[in-house]
Amino acid sequence: DTAVSQTPKYLVTQMGNDKSIKCEQNLGHDTMYWYKQDSKKFLKIMFSYNNKELIINETVPNRFSPKSPDKAHLNLHINSLELGDSAVYFCASSSGLALNTEAFFGQGTRLTVV
Amino acid sequence: QQQVKQSPQSLIVQKGGISIINCAYENTAFDYFPWYQQFPGKGPALLIAIRPDVSEKKEGRFTISFNKSAKQFSLHIMDSQPGDSATYFCAASKGLTGGGNKLTFGTGTQLKVEL
Repeated sequence: DTAVSQTPKYLVTQMGNDKSIKCEQNLGHDTMYWYKQDSKKFLKIMFSYNNKELIINETVPNRFSPKSPDKAHLNLHINSLELGDSAVYFCASSSGLALNTEAFFGQGTRLTVV
Repeated sequence: QQQVKQSPQSLIVQKGGISIINCAYENTAFDYFPWYQQFPGKGPALLIAIRPDVSEKKEGRFTISFNKSAKQFSLHIMDSQPGDSATYFCAASKGLTGGGNKLTFGTGTQLKVEL
């Protein structure tokens, strides 16, 4: 009964590879997000989708491509991975019906690029 | 440009003491100010939130004080417990016309409550 679930939890891969992280929420929310947490624990929004439509793209390199097949899923595909992509990636969701409601976060995917 | 500044970076408090974490923001368009708690290996979880039309909100041992004119807000944890040891993030948000909201986080405070 996990509200926001991400897979995998850990991902170790070599530079230059392409990888995907999957996210699903069962809260019935309209809005989903990807946040990146760096080694200093700083959290920064990357993307936001509302009802499968891109709302925010925070100047993220175009090697990162989010895809939302339906409003319960938001996947993140990363091409040509670089060392600097190593971080913890969090998926989150919130209700899109009212402005400024609680964002629920997944457990995170720790990506290590070697 | 750090839109939400948070201090201190780390904090050690004795059990039963008061933990205080401060944040300041720049963008007056922000209209929602949540605090998130994060344990190691877990995602951030909402602890308490306030809107700028009130100056204080209390939930159990947790209180947010909000000063709109100074553009500052703080989290007070009363009777701090070892189980409160975690990283705390303040955040500020404004709603998006396309739906949802964009959270701008502070840099985090690592709290340790000692016995």
